[in-house]
Amino acid sequence: EAGVTQFPSHSVIEKGQTVTLRCDPISGHDNLYWYRRVMGKEIKFLLHFVKESKQDESGMPNNRFLAERTGGTYSTLKVQPAELEDSGVYFCASSQEGQRNYEQYFGPGTRLTVT
Amino acid sequence: AQSVTQLGSHVSVSEGALVLLRCNYSSSVPPYLFWYVQYPNQGLQLLLKYTSAATLVKGINGFEAEFKKSETSFHLTKPSAHMSDAAEYFCAVSHSGGYQKVTFGTGTKLQVIP
Repeated sequence: EAGVTQFPSHSVIEKGQTVTLRCDPISGHDNLYWYRRVMGKEIKFLLHFVKESKQDESGMPNNRFLAERTGGTYSTLKVQPAELEDSGVYFCASSQEGQRNYEQYFGPGTRLTVT
Repeated sequence: AQSVTQLGSHVSVSEGALVLLRCNYSSSVPPYLFWYVQYPNQGLQLLLKYTSAATLVKGINGFEAEFKKSETSFHLTKPSAHMSDAAEYFCAVSHSGGYQKVTFGTGTKLQVIP
């Protein structure tokens, strides 16, 4: 079974540009999460989808960030326009609702560098 | 509210020595607790999890952790460090296991000295 995949693995953009990160969850997982780790700090929650609906977006830093999950499958996280402080590693995770082994499966992350 | 504190951003041990990574949590409800590991250039991998069953939890690669409610701790241990254990380790807490957001600690980088 394929794990959570993220694309691209690395992205380097200039301040003011737009970047779109993609996450493909494990097939059949209704829950999809985005997290971010800014250099040297903890991994922080951004938002949570249940299927195509946003269940919790309390961690989204500002309105330059837009997450979508059309059709309840893959998700995209767009940053527009990017700022220097957006640099970091963006992780995606998924879990199956009702799954009793209580685990979110994480992808390898996308390293975003804004110059 | 929930939070996790990891003591020590960097820990060095000799190969074959005991590994002890400390984690204390704060949670207003019975927590689910996790340890994740990130090897260089890889994603996060679950080492072990506590979900209100046995307080001593065994994970992969010889790691284990003990949930101590009285101390609000969930320290990670391994009797004998191996070079391949060099990685960054994250303690994390959730209110509902896999369904809600996970709150992470700041991470501890483990260095294993030959």
